[in-house]
Amino acid sequence: GDSVTQMEGPVTLSEEAFLTINCTYTATGYPSLFWYVQYPGEGLQLLLKATKADDKGSNKGFEATYRKETTSFHLEKGSVQVSDSAVYFCALANQAGTALIFGKGTTLSVSS
Amino acid sequence: DARVTQTPRHKVTEMGQEVTMRCQPILGHNTVFWYRQTMMQGLELLAYFRNRAPLDDSGMPKDRFSAEMPDATLATLKIQPSEPRDSAVYFCASPPFGTGGTEAFFGQGTRLTVV
Repeated sequence: GDSVTQMEGPVTLSEEAFLTINCTYTATGYPSLFWYVQYPGEGLQLLLKATKADDKGSNKGFEATYRKETTSFHLEKGSVQVSDSAVYFCALANQAGTALIFGKGTTLSVSS
Repeated sequence: DARVTQTPRHKVTEMGQEVTMRCQPILGHNTVFWYRQTMMQGLELLAYFRNRAPLDDSGMPKDRFSAEMPDATLATLKIQPSEPRDSAVYFCASPPFGTGGTEAFFGQGTRLTVV
């Protein structure tokens, strides 16, 4: 079945460092792809999305490009802040487009 | 401030007890999802409802779990009897109309510990 694989964390960075969190997927067809973020003690929030190949989703300085050739949707940010410390989830829409299939999540810790 | 509200935030119970978790979706959102988060399995979809009717509960253990949506402002997830392996964070989520289930607003979760 459809699935998402994320790089294992934790990822530990200094403030202003460059961030990459790898995400690859296995799916039938070309599902919409998402990044969600979970801050400590909170529920998940949609960070960005891409609905078709070569689309780039972006929000709050984060970007991810839908690459069908490599079945990837890597999350990047040029300069992280302490406030970006959170758990990041890559996800894809199920075949019906009605629910999400999540990766295991990657914990990001940014220190000043 | 539109948000999904879950109660209780934390629940500790003994094995064999009934547990009820509640969710108040965002007003006007007609779809509600229940997800379970554990360290081992990550986030798993348990069930979802649209217009108060269950559409898919294939991810939910039927022998002990039940989910209902008695009205548009309340969804419940019950476990009876509870077991230690049910310890997890349970999230309710509701997406805006027209986005399917993929752009959902999540509640803060109910952290369940079964001892």
